[in-house]
Amino acid sequence: GESVGLHLPTLSVQEGDNSIINCAYSNSASDYFIWYKQESGKGPQFIIDIRSNMDKRQGQRVTVLLNKTVKHLSLQIAATQPGDSAVYFCAENMKSSYKLIFGSGTRLLVRP
Amino acid sequence: DAMVIQNPRYQVTQFGKPVTLSCSQTLNHNVMYWYQQKSSQAPKLLFHYYDKDFNNEADTPDNFQSRRPNTSFCFLDIRSPGLGDAAMYLCATSRGDSQDTQYFGPGTRLTVL
Repeated sequence: GESVGLHLPTLSVQEGDNSIINCAYSNSASDYFIWYKQESGKGPQFIIDIRSNMDKRQGQRVTVLLNKTVKHLSLQIAATQPGDSAVYFCAENMKSSYKLIFGSGTRLLVRP
Repeated sequence: DAMVIQNPRYQVTQFGKPVTLSCSQTLNHNVMYWYQQKSSQAPKLLFHYYDKDFNNEADTPDNFQSRRPNTSFCFLDIRSPGLGDAAMYLCATSRGDSQDTQYFGPGTRLTVL
């Protein structure tokens, strides 16, 4: 059967609180970053992206922050809801490439 | 409307019995990707097609093959599935530019008995 996977870092938050999920990316040549949400048994779903010429981008209830100096990306979710419970992956895209490099993922659990 | 479609959603096969997974897209994207994802891990790229050009990842076993007969369809063939091939298989598509967003299908969960 399927081999046992690595233990995912888990963030547990109270419904209504804000969530912050962090990601350290690997390559200083990366110039495009994406956050994906993956619910159990489903494919990754695009949430928000940011280009390297920006340090912040906002969507509906979500904000992505990019710190190129320390190669750090974060996803902030405002007023977290039970439907936000999922695994969140960051992904980076190197300049002149269309392939993505995925981070290891963080599981978000929302307590009612 | 679904943009990247995978069939079947669940596939059970026997050890060593060839299996084919299917992906189709309505986005008219140039690139189609196949990923393998095991429990609690990130998706792992197996290979991709840019139009008709096949690009294999260096560590993808020979047991995994792919076909892309036209822009819309791409297949993943596993010639002799082993127990270690049980996983979620994800198809994704993108335009093929730099700073390119990949859109994923729902995945096919493969069980090997």
